[in-house]
Amino acid sequence: AQSVAQPEDQVNVAEGNPLTVKCTYSVSGNPYLFWYVQYPNRGLQFLLKYITGDNLVKGSYGFEAEFNKSQTSFHLKKPSALVSDSALYFCAVRDGNNNDMRFGAGTRLTVKP
Amino acid sequence: NAGVMQNPRHLVRRRGQEARLRCSPMKGHSHVYWYRQLPEEGLKFMVYLQKENIIDESGMPKERFSAEFPKEGPSILRIQQVVRGDSAAYFCASSPLTSAADTQYFGPGTRLTVL
Repeated sequence: AQSVAQPEDQVNVAEGNPLTVKCTYSVSGNPYLFWYVQYPNRGLQFLLKYITGDNLVKGSYGFEAEFNKSQTSFHLKKPSALVSDSALYFCAVRDGNNNDMRFGAGTRLTVKP
Repeated sequence: NAGVMQNPRHLVRRRGQEARLRCSPMKGHSHVYWYRQLPEEGLKFMVYLQKENIIDESGMPKERFSAEFPKEGPSILRIQQVVRGDSAAYFCASSPLTSAADTQYFGPGTRLTVL
C-alpha cells in the first residue's frame, strides 16, 4: 500500500526567503504525486502534480516541486516566500492500482514579515 | 464553473442522532470521493463512488456509515447514531475520470460536531 511522510510538522521562513516543504513517499507501482494547500476552515486547493516526464513540476502561485525517484521524494519549493503563503500543506500519493489517495499529516508553513 | 459544493458547512448533532452530509461534484465530474479529517491531521480516505455505484469503500467504518451517489442529485454521506468520535471535518472531492493521475478537486468541507 502507498504511504506518504511529511517529516516536518512546522516550517518557518522569513518573507522573501526560499521555502521547502518536504515529502517522501512509498508505492509499489508508479507514483502519482500531488501537493495541496489548505487555508483555515477551507477545503484543499490543488497546487501541482507529478505524473510523468520532467522531474521539476511547476504549479500555482509560483510553487514548484521536484520528483526524485532515487530518494523517493517530492519536495515542494518556492524561490521567494510571501506572508500569504502561510497555510497547511499536504502531500499525497496514489499508484495506478488503488482508488484512494494517501495524504501526509500536513506541514504548517508560517511566513513571517 | 462552480466548484465542488458541500452542505451544510457546519452541522451540530447530539449523540445518537443521524448526520447527513451532501456533496455536489463539479459540473462534468462523475466520480466522488469522501475523506475525513481529524484536527491537526491529514485526510483519511473513506469511500469512492460513481453514479449509482460504490467503487471502493475500504476506508469506511463497518457500522453506522453509508454513502450513496444517486443518478440524480448530490452524493450523500450518512452517519447513523453519531458518537463524539465522529466529530471531524468531512471533505468531498470530485474528478472527471477514473485515472489515478486525475486531479481531485475538493469542496469546502462539512464540520460535524457531536455534542
